[in-house]
Amino acid sequence: SQTIHQWPATLVQPVGSPLSLECTVEGTSNPNLYWYRQAAGRGLQLLFYSVGIGQISSEVPQNLSASRPQDRQFILSSKKLLLSDSGFYLCAWSITPRDYEQYFGPGTRLTVT
Amino acid sequence: QQQVKQSPQSLIVQKGGISIINCAYENTAFDYFPWYQQFPGKGPALLIAIRPDVSEKKEGRFTISFNKSAKQFSLHIMDSQPGDSATYFCAGLNTGGFKTIFGAGTRLFVKA
Repeated sequence: SQTIHQWPATLVQPVGSPLSLECTVEGTSNPNLYWYRQAAGRGLQLLFYSVGIGQISSEVPQNLSASRPQDRQFILSSKKLLLSDSGFYLCAWSITPRDYEQYFGPGTRLTVT
Repeated sequence: QQQVKQSPQSLIVQKGGISIINCAYENTAFDYFPWYQQFPGKGPALLIAIRPDVSEKKEGRFTISFNKSAKQFSLHIMDSQPGDSATYFCAGLNTGGFKTIFGAGTRLFVKA
């Protein structure tokens, strides 16, 4: 069966510090991978998606970046965090881009202070 | 044109009552409409989904009603239970593309 992992679960970082969030998927090959951000009491904002190694599409221009160094690994990064980067970050995967079902990880709660 | 508008923002229902969440979309290219359920501190999970050529889909206590001409769809939770208390997201997806567009979410609280 497939499993998606995210870490860390919670993170408190000062403004201007770097960020690295990691997501890995087990039990499937060549998944489509997504990063979402969920602000408090709000919906899901798609940040990046990837259909293969090294292939990243950005939905929202900002100080975040994503990388996919391995087939089942997706990393969200920032060189300098802003207060507005606080939120709940969710990684998700789907079998193909055309699958309506996305499988979400447990999320990372990021607080920028 | 990509938006999915969801209402209400929050909902309080008595145990045993019917919870109704409404969504409206603009993009007629959407060909799947999933609903996700999210418990506090967890990632969302698919609850039920419908294609636009179907007017209604029922799975247990959960029913999606779909009105293609009005570009609206809704989730009905029958016999609502305290365990249904969660945030619900409707969404639209064009399976020819890569993006699922989510509504803003409805926080449901079922009072015991």
